[in-house]
Amino acid sequence: NAGVTQTPKFRILKIGQSMTLQCTQDMNHNYMYWYRQDPGMGLKLIYYSVGAGITDKGEVPNGYNVSRSTTEDFPLRLELAAPSQTSVYFCASSYTGTGFPYGYTFGSGTRLTVV
Amino acid sequence: AQRVTQPEKLLSVFKGAPVELKCNYSYSGSPELFWYVQYSRQRLQLLLRHISRESIKGFTADLNKGETSFHLKKPFAQEEDSAMYYCALAYGGSQGNLIFGKGTKLSVKP
Repeated sequence: NAGVTQTPKFRILKIGQSMTLQCTQDMNHNYMYWYRQDPGMGLKLIYYSVGAGITDKGEVPNGYNVSRSTTEDFPLRLELAAPSQTSVYFCASSYTGTGFPYGYTFGSGTRLTVV
Repeated sequence: AQRVTQPEKLLSVFKGAPVELKCNYSYSGSPELFWYVQYSRQRLQLLLRHISRESIKGFTADLNKGETSFHLKKPFAQEEDSAMYYCALAYGGSQGNLIFGKGTKLSVKP
């Protein structure tokens, strides 16, 4: 039972490069999320998805894009990387049955450095 | 706007001492609150939800709507409790989005 799997674990990008952070879950959760965590700060929501084909912006979506073509996968795309995107990125999923999440399951995170 | 505040960046206690990790929230709706924990080199994981009124690993948390608080407590700290603790508030109704506090690092000394 893998839960939520994120790849890669670490990445160094040059300014202006692009990359995709991969996230896959095998729990058949309907909701998926991308957060970023800057040093000494809480997690901030970038994008979320309530199901395949449906995505929406969170608190800090600028510079990112997402897609949700299947229930399992929720990749995060960085276009034209900037130093301000240096952060740790967490993917999470959850199941909602009665209107509120039953608690997120998190991936192990991707540490991204933009130089 | 919704907000979660954890006033302490670091809390250091001795083994066997009581622990209280503070969390205050601001939210106009009916709050749904969580505590998450991240042990060293492990991923963030759910510790407890207020709606479950449960005790996990000896930790409890009571929602106080009057004081808008959801403090995490344990009567006798253990060294293995050392970790980062995050308080989180669910907003957005059925969307299930969470807003997190900045976290408190708990250090339990022998």
